[in-house]
Amino acid sequence: LAKTTQPISMDSYEGQEVNITCSHNNIATNDYITWYQQFPSQGPRFIIQGYKTKVTNEVASLFIPADRKSSTLSLPRVSLSDTAVYYCLVGPFFNQAGTALIFGKGTTLSVSS
Amino acid sequence: ETGVTQTPRHLVMGMTNKKSLKCEQHLGHNAMYWYKQSAKKPLELMFVYNFKEQTENNSVPSRFSPECPNSSHLFLHLHTLQPEDSALYLCASSQEVNIYEQYFGPGTRLTVT
Repeated sequence: LAKTTQPISMDSYEGQEVNITCSHNNIATNDYITWYQQFPSQGPRFIIQGYKTKVTNEVASLFIPADRKSSTLSLPRVSLSDTAVYYCLVGPFFNQAGTALIFGKGTTLSVSS
Repeated sequence: ETGVTQTPRHLVMGMTNKKSLKCEQHLGHNAMYWYKQSAKKPLELMFVYNFKEQTENNSVPSRFSPECPNSSHLFLHLHTLQPEDSALYLCASSQEVNIYEQYFGPGTRLTVT
């Protein structure tokens, strides 16, 4: 599995756009990029997944440059409820049998009013 | 709401008790999972079910007994647990087995006394 590197923490204010970048220099050809959000003592929540260029859903956008060695999760107009840990996962569409999703340390986003 | 519900949300049990955790998914998914999340440890995959058939058991002690009567319901039967089994137990589901896009329930916080 490709190793991922994310900032440990980020701070923002309500209403701002937040961009969290994940580096994955060793990404393989068949790897996808998946982002999860997790609040304390709750299960992770799937946000978005992409392979290349740009993917957008009702929650976020995911930007992936042509070399795919990094990706950026963009959260538009964050609110206090977006305060959470965000995880970048890189791996093939089908995870290896018997292995759990590897979440790493993630980025703790703190949103203030 | 992720479409995956878990009950109870909190459970305290003695080492000689027998209890069950319940998970239900309303997403029409074919695969369901049990994970264990201990404090400051990575997510651990316990069991995987695909079309209600168990496909993976990650060397989980027999005091944890899963049951999947249909693709929408998953149970984890607990008996003679140890204090080190105290953790957050998460249920997840996905459209296909072992893909990165998984939907997690809120978890059951289990405390074994």
